[in-house]
Amino acid sequence: TQLLEQSPQFLSIQEGENLTVYCNSSSVFSSLQWYRQEPGEGPVLLVTVVTGGEVKKLKRLTFQFGDARKDSSLHITAAQPGDTGLYLCAGGDNNNDMRFGAGTRLTVKP
Amino acid sequence: EAGVAQSPRYKIIEKRQSVAFWCNPISGHATLYWYQQILGQGPKLLIQFQNNGVVDDSQLPKDRFSAERLKGVDSTLKIQPAKLEDSAVYLCASSFQQGQGSGYTFGSGTRLTVV
Repeated sequence: TQLLEQSPQFLSIQEGENLTVYCNSSSVFSSLQWYRQEPGEGPVLLVTVVTGGEVKKLKRLTFQFGDARKDSSLHITAAQPGDTGLYLCAGGDNNNDMRFGAGTRLTVKP
Repeated sequence: EAGVAQSPRYKIIEKRQSVAFWCNPISGHATLYWYQQILGQGPKLLIQFQNNGVVDDSQLPKDRFSAERLKGVDSTLKIQPAKLEDSAVYLCASSFQQGQGSGYTFGSGTRLTVV
C-alpha cells in the first residue's frame, strides 16, 4: 500500500505571500500528479511529473519531483485568493492506479 | 470536450436504504474510476474499470457496494444497504489509458448523506 503524506494539512496566508506544500512517501512512484479541488467540485489536474528531479512550472506554480521519486513539492509565488483550494497529490507505480494523499487546504486572504 | 458527467449531485437517504450513482465518462476514455471522498480526506479508490472489465476492486466493500460498466461506457455504483459511515462525496473519473502519466478527469461528484 502506498501512503502519501501531505503537509501542512492547513495553510492560511495573505495575498502576495509565497508558500510551499509537500507530499512525501516511503514508496517510489513512477509518476506523481498534483490536483486542485474547489468546494463542490472534483479535483482538477495541475501537473504530472515522471522523472526524478524533474521541475515543472505552471505560471506562478512550481512543481518538483524528488530525485528518488518518493516526494514532491508545490511552490506558489505571490499567492492570490483564486489559489484557494484543496491541493492533492497522487502517486502511482507502473501497475497501480493513482492513490491520493489527504491534501493541503490553502486559504489565501485578500 | 464534454467533461465527466455524474448524477445526482446530491442525495439524502436513511440508513439501510439503497442508492445508485451514475457516471458518463469522457468519450473515448477507456478507463473509469470510482472514488469515495470523506470530508477532510483525500479521494479513496473504490473500483477501476478498463473498458467493461474490473481492473481493481480491492478496496470496494463488496458486502454492500457494487458497480458495473456495461458496454464499456457509462457506469453505475450502488450501495445496498447504506450505513451512516457511507456519507461522503462519490467521485467518478476517467482517463484515456490506464496507469502512470495519464491524468484523470473528474466529475463534480455526488454528495451522499446517510441519516
